[in-house]
Order: sequence, then structure tokens, then C-alpha cells
Amino acid sequence: NAGVTQTPKFQVLKTGQSMTLQCAQDMNHNSMYWYRQDPGMGLRLIYYSASEGTTDKGEVPNGYNVSRLNKREFSLRLESAAPSQTSVYFCASFKVEGSGNTIYFGEGSWLTVV
Amino acid sequence: KQEVTQIPAALSVPEGENLVLNCSFTDSAIYNLQWFRQDPGKGLTSLLLIQSSQREQTSGRLNASLDKSSGRSTLYIAASQPGDSATYLCAVRPVDTGNQFYFGTGTSLTVIP
Repeated sequence: NAGVTQTPKFQVLKTGQSMTLQCAQDMNHNSMYWYRQDPGMGLRLIYYSASEGTTDKGEVPNGYNVSRLNKREFSLRLESAAPSQTSVYFCASFKVEGSGNTIYFGEGSWLTVV
Repeated sequence: KQEVTQIPAALSVPEGENLVLNCSFTDSAIYNLQWFRQDPGKGLTSLLLIQSSQREQTSGRLNASLDKSSGRSTLYIAASQPGDSATYLCAVRPVDTGNQFYFGTGTSLTVIP
């Protein structure tokens, strides 16, 4: 059972380059999320998708776009990378129905923009 | 907006000591609160989930309590071990945004052999 899988694990980009972070979950969850984690700032929500076909902005959406390709996959795109987007990115998924479910995280993607 | 705070930001204890990590949140209207562990270079792993109607949850040497009315939760680790060294984060799931989570900034724990 793979859970949440995200790629790539590490990436170095030059300012202005574009890239897409891929995420897939095999737990049949409705909701998927992209967070970034920076020292002293905790996890901040970039975008989320409550269900297939819907996406919504989170706390820090500027500079990012997302696509919920199907129920399994949720990608995050940086159109023109900036040094401020150097961070660790985490994809997560969650089954909304019920109140006792936990959110599952991928292993993270380390992105450096130079 | 829900705000989640964890104090202290870092904690260092000798092996074998019992310890308490703190989490506070501003809005008591939550479905649940979770404690996570994060090892360096890894994602978050859920340790304990406390429903809003519960007061505590236990798993092995870990015990988490929830006082919703005061907006506080504690994670108690008994007989700490070097393998417990990690960052511990708490997160709440508010009722008004049922599919979102708000995370604290975490407490970095070091257990010294």
C-alpha cells in the first residue's frame, strides 16, 4: 500500500523556470492538498481539492497553479519559479466522510530556486 | 481564522525522562485534533487523533489529552528514548472548514542518551 506518492524528491530550478510536482494517492480519498513547509512557519496550505473536478486556494496560492487530474492525482505547477518558492512541498490526502479520519502525507519534495 | 500554537519550539531532555508537549488553538469548534511526528527529511506521520467528544487517547508510551473549552492539548511521552527524537506537530480540523487542517509550527524534541 503506497499511500501518497509525490515526485520528484529533489529539484533545483533557476529563477523563471517552470516545473510540476506530481502527487498520487491510492486510498480512494476525496480531498487532496498541497502544503509548503518553511522553517519557523509551519505547514501552510497552497491549494486543495475537496473532490475530483474542484480546486480552491489556500493560504499562500500566489505563484502556483494546480490540476486535479482525476480522483487519484493532484499536481502543483510553478509557472515562473522565484527564490521565495524555495521550500519543502508536501502533498496530502484525506477522506472527508466521518470525523475520525486522519490525513496522510507524502514524503515531501525539496525544491531549491537559485 | 484558527490559529495553532506550540510551545516550546525546541526541547532537549535526558533519556528516560517523562515529558509534555503543548498545543493551543483559538477556536474550540473542531471535529478533532491530531498529533503528528516528523522525522528529518520525511513527511508527517499521525500518532494520535482525539475526537472533539473525547478527553484523551493513548498509544503505547504516548498519551494525548484535549481540553476543547480552553483550547489546549498536551502530548505526554513516558520514559523517553533517543528514538523519540523528532519534530512533533499538532493540527486541528475546524467544523466550519471541515476538509481543512490548521497546523502548529511544531516542537523539535531531542532525547539525549
